[in-house]
Amino acid sequence: EPEVTQTPSHQVTQMGQEVILHCVPISNHLYFYWYRQILGQKVEFLVSFYNNEISEKSEIFDDQFSVERPDGSNFTLKIRSTKLEDSAMYFCASSLLAAWAFNEQFFGPGTRLTVL
Amino acid sequence: RKEVEQDPGPFNVPEGATVAFNCTYSNSASQSFFWYRQDCRKEPKLLMSVYSSGNEDGRFTAQLNRASQYISLLIRDSKLSDSATYLCVVNIGTGFQKLVFGTGTRLLVSP
Repeated sequence: EPEVTQTPSHQVTQMGQEVILHCVPISNHLYFYWYRQILGQKVEFLVSFYNNEISEKSEIFDDQFSVERPDGSNFTLKIRSTKLEDSAMYFCASSLLAAWAFNEQFFGPGTRLTVL
Repeated sequence: RKEVEQDPGPFNVPEGATVAFNCTYSNSASQSFFWYRQDCRKEPKLLMSVYSSGNEDGRFTAQLNRASQYISLLIRDSKLSDSATYLCVVNIGTGFQKLVFGTGTRLLVSP
């Protein structure tokens, strides 16, 4: 069964450093998303991406964050200068269709980011 | 008011019990509704979509009341493997899917 993969599974970084989280969405999917979940809290939407453009982003997704699809398979989330409060599990998701359908988003296993 | 509100639980039930979870949402323009399941430290996985007329998938039944902005999930004949956190999820996007998650309701099924 096709699945979303994410690397690394755990990333430890120093405050102020840049990190790039990697995702490989399901191959025929067209819509890509990043979410985060701070330990013990709810899953929060960060950004959606379609046709090489951001389609929607949340207030969390400020200038420190960026997304890219550098080739036909990878989808990355970059945090330019990490803060302690960026420590969270980051989930990538992908879906085949657009919002109006009861359309399943498939989530990757997540990258746990720890900022020291 | 929170966008999606759920009782965090935990709900402790014996195997074979029936358990119901409720959820309310604040955005009346919400487009679609889902229940996701999340196991400890794992990714959310879609359990079922929630249709206006209500829908059933095996032991699971979901209901939607748009007038009251209320969603429910009923689990019959609980199994040990049902132990997880159940996330009420609302899509508030218009052009693209923008999912808003509740904090989840934790279910513990015991032998």
